[in-house]
Amino acid sequence: DAGVIQSPRHEVTEMGQEVTLRCKPISGHDYLFWYRQTMMRGLELLIYFNNNVPIDDSGMPEDRFSAKMPNASFSTLKIQPSEPRDSAVYFCASKGAGTGELFFGEGSRLTVL
Amino acid sequence: GDSVTQMEGPVTLSEEAFLTINCTYTATGYPSLFWYVQYPGEGLQLLLKATKADDKGSNKGFEATYRKETTSFHLEKGSVQVSDSAVYFCALSEPGGGYQKVTFGTGTKLQVIP
Repeated sequence: DAGVIQSPRHEVTEMGQEVTLRCKPISGHDYLFWYRQTMMRGLELLIYFNNNVPIDDSGMPEDRFSAKMPNASFSTLKIQPSEPRDSAVYFCASKGAGTGELFFGEGSRLTVL
Repeated sequence: GDSVTQMEGPVTLSEEAFLTINCTYTATGYPSLFWYVQYPGEGLQLLLKATKADDKGSNKGFEATYRKETTSFHLEKGSVQVSDSAVYFCALSEPGGGYQKVTFGTGTKLQVIP
């Protein structure tokens, strides 16, 4: 299995631009999670999906952030408009039902200038 | 709610030293417990896990024992190597609700010097 695949690995953009991060979970996994990691706040859960349905988005920082999962093999995290404080590494992770073991992608490092 | 508390880092050790990273947890039920490791520039990956009291998880020379009486899951390794330098995260997931959520600690950075 290829594991969780994220793109892009690195993104540099200017303040005010739209950013879209993409994730392909492991086939057969029912859950997909989006995390953000910064030095200041550590690892934060933004949102998670079960069977493509958003279950808990209480970690999404504000309305500039949105996430979708149109099918079982694809999810996006969008930031519009982006701000410098959004600079972080964004991780996608997936897992199967009945287990707490998460499988992480390699992350998307976002820099907003 | 659930929570995981890890010892503050960074931890700096010489090669071949003994490692302990403390982890305690608060949970309403009987959670599964995990240690994840994050090497520089990479995502988190599962290091070891334990699913019930007194279970010992082990991998790559690391061990942790699920201690229900002290609500702890301390990570140990007898002899660390430079290649063990990474950030280590303790985590839990509760069976209630089908292990939907995973709660992470803040992470402990380990630096091993030759």
